[in-house]
Amino acid sequence: AQTVTQSQPEMSVQEAETVTLSCTYDTSESDYYLFWYKQPPSRQMILVIRQEAYKQQNATENRFSVNFQKAAKSFSLKISDSQLGDAAMYFCAYRSAGHGGSQGNLIFGKGTKLSVKP
Amino acid sequence: DSGVTQTPKHLITATGQRVTLRCSPRSGDLSVYWYQQSLDQGLQFLIQYYNGEERAKGNILERFSAQQFPDLHSELNLSSLELGDSALYFCASSLGGRTYNEQFFGPGTRLTVL
Repeated sequence: AQTVTQSQPEMSVQEAETVTLSCTYDTSESDYYLFWYKQPPSRQMILVIRQEAYKQQNATENRFSVNFQKAAKSFSLKISDSQLGDAAMYFCAYRSAGHGGSQGNLIFGKGTKLSVKP
Repeated sequence: DSGVTQTPKHLITATGQRVTLRCSPRSGDLSVYWYQQSLDQGLQFLIQYYNGEERAKGNILERFSAQQFPDLHSELNLSSLELGDSALYFCASSLGGRTYNEQFFGPGTRLTVL
């Protein structure tokens, strides 16, 4: 079974600085997706960024980028120019690349609570 | 707004009772996923339906059941409720199919069992 591990329960960053959240995963599959989700106090789950395992290039979405190391099964999230609105719970998630309508469910890590100091 | 709706937003009930949570997926989405978020277990997958059929099961208790109706909305039934069932229950939907489709999350139903 696949597992996702986030070893940092809490992180803190100064506004405008850069912070990196860590995530490791375990799988025997070769085709999968990795995600970072943000959960603000409103509890809504918001997709931040997605990485396809077959792509070597690291995904980037504005201030958010990932460092995807497939061999090491590592998938970290870097937030640049941190803003107060980035304060939230961040979840790393894994999803098998299913076929025929049975695309896999998401497997989540325990989350990292990010605080942003003004 | 993700386009996924869940009702009710909040539910307070007593141990031993039964409740039904409802989810309406985004227009056109065929897959529905149910997730439970609790302090003890974190976010975990319960069950998936695709076009009316059960496709995958996760850590869903026998006291819990779900179905997806012909109009594609889904219901999660929780019975013989225990204090530990208190959690935030999310529904997510996706188009399904062979290519990647994002899962869009609803706002969740907060269940409190007293």
